Amino acid sequence: AAGVIQSPRHLIKEKRETATLKCYPIPRHDTVYWYQQGPGQDPQFLISFYEKMQSDKGSIPDRFSAQQFSDYHSELNMSSLELGDSALYFCASSFRQGSPGELFFGEGSRLTVL
Amino acid sequence: AQKVTQAQTEISVVEKEDVTLDCVYETRDTTYYLFWYKQPPSGELVFLIRRNSFDEQNEISGRYSWNFQKSTSSFNFTITASQVVDSAVYFCALSEAPLTGGGNKLTFGTGTQLKVEL
Repeated sequence: AAGVIQSPRHLIKEKRETATLKCYPIPRHDTVYWYQQGPGQDPQFLISFYEKMQSDKGSIPDRFSAQQFSDYHSELNMSSLELGDSALYFCASSFRQGSPGELFFGEGSRLTVL
Repeated sequence: AQKVTQAQTEISVVEKEDVTLDCVYETRDTTYYLFWYKQPPSGELVFLIRRNSFDEQNEISGRYSWNFQKSTSSFNFTITASQVVDSAVYFCALSEAPLTGGGNKLTFGTGTQLKVEL
């Protein structure tokens, strides 16, 4: 079965550069979530989108922005990268009419800021 | 506000021992969902179980079992006859009931590092 696809899987950037992460949800899923997991930390909710509209917002820095496109894929844009942005970024998707609380996670994109 | 507490930062056991990972949660909602995820060294989050707040029945799946007790706000996870492949970080997580427009965001605990040695 198709899963959540994240790209790239690994990304290395310099400080003050910009990075873009992409997430392709499971077909028919209408909601996408982004999480950030720092080294040795638990995943922290950043932002979510439902039907291309932002549905919830967590601890997402102002330097980050995200959107969900008409094909339901989502992109997380990170600008003016800082060393502390080095983390594993997870995308998850769900279907609103599906089983409540059922999220499917991608394998994550590992961002390293040097 | 929701909160998930995993007081055990790290647990080390010898293979074939049983081990219980504790999870205590806080929420003001009457409808919520509890989860356990496994994160092996490769980094992906592996879904283990989802339990809704109205279903306090304990569950067993192979060597895994879960004990949900609303009275103590706990959702503990036991691995029976642990194996080296069980070595991973285990996260307990909580989700409120979905809001209109999709609202399944998870609040994770800080995780428990389980090390199973030969």
